[in-house]
Amino acid sequence: EPEVTQTPSHQVTQMGQEVILRCVPISNHLYFYWYRQILGQKVEFLVSFYNNEISEKSEIFDDQFSVERPDGSNFTLKIRSTKLEDSAMYFCASSEGNRGYQPQHFGDGTRLSIL
Amino acid sequence: DAKTTQPNSMESNEEEPVHLPCNHSTISGTDYIHWYRQLPSQGPEYVIHGLTSNVNNRMASLAIAEDRKSSTLILHRATLRDAAVYYCIRTLSSNTGKLIFGQGTTLQVKP
Repeated sequence: EPEVTQTPSHQVTQMGQEVILRCVPISNHLYFYWYRQILGQKVEFLVSFYNNEISEKSEIFDDQFSVERPDGSNFTLKIRSTKLEDSAMYFCASSEGNRGYQPQHFGDGTRLSIL
Repeated sequence: DAKTTQPNSMESNEEEPVHLPCNHSTISGTDYIHWYRQLPSQGPEYVIHGLTSNVNNRMASLAIAEDRKSSTLILHRATLRDAAVYYCIRTLSSNTGKLIFGQGTTLQVKP
């Protein structure tokens, strides 16, 4: 069964450094998402992406964050200057469409630790 | 408002059925009800979704109340591997794809 893959599984970075989290969505999917989950808290939506554009972003997704689909397979989340509060699990998801009946498929996440 | 209400936790015995409830009293006629679960140290996993009729798939069944203000996820025979956090999520008719997760129900399965 096709799956969403994320790399690395764990990233440790010094505060203030840039970090790029990578995702390979399911190949025939057109919509891509990033979510994050701070330890012990809810899963929170960050951004949705379709047709090389951001469809929607949350308040968390400020100008320190960016997303890109650099080629036909990868989808990346960049944090320009990391803060301690960016420490969290980051999940990538993809779906065939964004209609209410179309499920999202998630990767197993990247644990980002900011020191 | 995409709010749903679920119990914080539930317990079940292995090989017994589990009924996980969800209230979504403000649901509109075109909103879908989705269930996802999150096993320890994994990402959320799609389980099932429905609109009005009851639904079955290989993982679970979804029973939707006639007035659509509540639904129940049914695991027919719980296994230890079903221990997870279960999320009931409304996907709005005007949805851009964003999923709004609540705290979910933490299901413990006892051997």
